Amino acid sequence: EAGVAQSPRYKIIEKRQSVAFWCNPISGHATLYWYQQILGQGPKLLIQFQNNGVVDDSQLPKDRFSAERLKGVDSTLKIQPAKLEDSAVYLCASSLRFSNYGYTFGSGTRLTVV
Amino acid sequence: AQSVTQPDIHITVSEGASLELRCNYSYGATPYLFWYVQSPGQGLQLLLKYFSGDTLVQGIKGFEAEFKRSQSSFNLRKPSVHWSDAAEYFCAVGYTGTASKLTFGTGTRLQVTL
Repeated sequence: EAGVAQSPRYKIIEKRQSVAFWCNPISGHATLYWYQQILGQGPKLLIQFQNNGVVDDSQLPKDRFSAERLKGVDSTLKIQPAKLEDSAVYLCASSLRFSNYGYTFGSGTRLTVV
Repeated sequence: AQSVTQPDIHITVSEGASLELRCNYSYGATPYLFWYVQSPGQGLQLLLKYFSGDTLVQGIKGFEAEFKRSQSSFNLRKPSVHWSDAAEYFCAVGYTGTASKLTFGTGTRLQVTL
C-alpha cells in the first residue's frame, strides 16, 4: 500500500512569514495526526483528527497554528506568522481507526525559520 | 501526565556487539509501549509494540524488548548490531482512554563502529 505522503520535504522561510504543509494519509485511514519534532527532542502531538473532526488540539499553538482535514482525507497544517522556534520537522501520521495505535508516519517536512 | 525517559542520549557500539537501549515510562494503568527507529531524513518506523500478554516482544530487524512493570521499563535489545542499525531510536507510550495519543521520549542516537 502507498504510504503517508507529505509535501514539501523542505522549506526555508523568514520569521513572520506564513507556511503551509500538506499531508495525504493512507487510503481508508480515518485518524490523522500532526507531530512536531524539534531537533534533539522526540515528536510532540500537535493535533489529531478523526475523519474531519478534531479529537485533540490541546498542544497546538492556536494563535499561530491552524490545521484542517478536507473531507476527512488530506490535511493541511499552517503557521502564520512563523517564529524562529517553529523550526522543526513536521510529521504526519495516520491510522486505520480511532484508538488504534497502528501508526504509519510520513517522511516529514523540515521547516527552517531564519 | 504520561511521560517517557530515555536516559542515554548517544550510544556507540561496535558492529557485532550486543545492544540495550533503556526506556522508562511514567506510571499508568495498562501502558501501550512502542519502539520506533528514525534514519536521517526519514519518518519513524515501528520496530515493535507491547499491548499485553507475553512481556518479551519480538520485532523487526532482530530487535526485541522486555516489559517490566515493576521497573516501569521497556528496554530494547539486539544480540548483534549491524552497521545499518545506526539511527535514532525513540520509545513511546500510550494509554487506554487517550485516543491513541503517543508520548515520545527524547531519543537515543546509536552509532555503530566497524
